[in-house]
Amino acid sequence: NAGVMQNPRHLVRRRGQEARLRCSPMKGHSHVYWYRQLPEEGLKFMVYLQKENIIDESGMPKERFSAEFPKEGPSILRIQQVVRGDSAAYFCASSPASGYEQYFGPGTRLTVT
Amino acid sequence: TQLLEQSPQFLSIQEGENLTVYCNSSSVFSSLQWYRQEPGEGPVLLVTVVTGGEVKKLKRLTFQFGDARKDSSLHITAAQPGDTGLYLCAETSGSRLTFGEGTQLTVNP
Repeated sequence: NAGVMQNPRHLVRRRGQEARLRCSPMKGHSHVYWYRQLPEEGLKFMVYLQKENIIDESGMPKERFSAEFPKEGPSILRIQQVVRGDSAAYFCASSPASGYEQYFGPGTRLTVT
Repeated sequence: TQLLEQSPQFLSIQEGENLTVYCNSSSVFSSLQWYRQEPGEGPVLLVTVVTGGEVKKLKRLTFQFGDARKDSSLHITAAQPGDTGLYLCAETSGSRLTFGEGTQLTVNP
């Protein structure tokens, strides 16, 4: 049973460009969560999605960040007009339902130059 | 959102030694997870504790949940270099996980 998959594993963007991070949940999981780990900081919740629905986006910056989980295909975290402060590791987790244990992917390390 | 405090922040020991790391909160946990994260990887779930006073064992790792469900500990017996990593506790708050800052453990051969 394949685990949570994220790609790319590493992404380099120049300031002002767009970053798209993808997450495929574990088989049978329909709940996806995105977390961010800034250098020297802990993991922080960003957004929780189910298929075609954003359930909780209270941890996501109000501007430039968006997330989706379409009916078909992976969940996408999109960061527009990236700035140096967006450099971080972005992790996706999935679970079969709300309140169940979350399993994490290997992360995407975003570097903004 | 409750604050999770983990201690110590850093721990460096020799292979074969025993160690305990702690996770504390000012509020009652609904449930608590322990994860281990290695450099360049995502957190890997080790255990979930739910019931006050619960003890779970995973090979050389022993997890305890305080009776009042406000604290938890992870004890490693005869640590090995492969135990090196960042140990994170996390509490389920609704649908999200709230993480502590972690304990960075280094086991030297």
